[in-house]
Amino acid sequence: GENVEQHPSTLSVQEGDSAVIKCTYSDSASNYFPWYKQELGKGPQLIIDIRSNVGEKKDQRIAVTLNKTAKHFSLHITETQPEDSAVYFCAATPIQGAQKLVFGQGTRLTINP
Amino acid sequence: GAGVSQTPSNKVTEKGKYVELRCDPISGHTALYWYRQSLGQGPEFLIYFQGTGAADDSGLPNDRFFAVRPEGSVSTLKIQRTERGDSAVYLCASSWGQVGGGYTFGSGTRLTVV
Repeated sequence: GENVEQHPSTLSVQEGDSAVIKCTYSDSASNYFPWYKQELGKGPQLIIDIRSNVGEKKDQRIAVTLNKTAKHFSLHITETQPEDSAVYFCAATPIQGAQKLVFGQGTRLTINP
Repeated sequence: GAGVSQTPSNKVTEKGKYVELRCDPISGHTALYWYRQSLGQGPEFLIYFQGTGAADDSGLPNDRFFAVRPEGSVSTLKIQRTERGDSAVYLCASSWGQVGGGYTFGSGTRLTVV
């Protein structure tokens, strides 16, 4: 089945700098790749997603890139702020038409003021 | 409601007991999902409902776990003969049911089996 690997597990950056989190997936048929942000005691919140027919998507300070050939996708956060501190999860839909998501292990992002 | 509501937020139970976890999805959402999240890990899929029927229950770990959604809205996840390894946060999510669409998670129920 689908396997999603996420790196790094922890990331610490200075406020204002950029942060990049990377994920790889195993199932070449996967076609939907969302990113979720999870704050302590809360459920994951969708922050951006990308579909397999697009290579890049941007929403203000966050962007996601997808390389289908290499089967990897990345989250980019620019001009980081303290409120960006959280755990971030990437995910992939394992097969065409499937509804379930396979999540990565998460990245704990800390923004240092 | 405005979001996905899960009750209780915390549940402590003794090993061997039966528990029920409730999920109220966003009004009108036809799809409902249950995931389980262990400490320091990403959520793991358990079951997906489209309307009243379980369209995919491939993630349920064994026959002690069962979920229902009798009227196509509220869902209950039921765990029989709980074991310490069942301790985790159980997350519910709902969506409009479109393929490959993002969904909205609740805050979860933290289950502790002692």
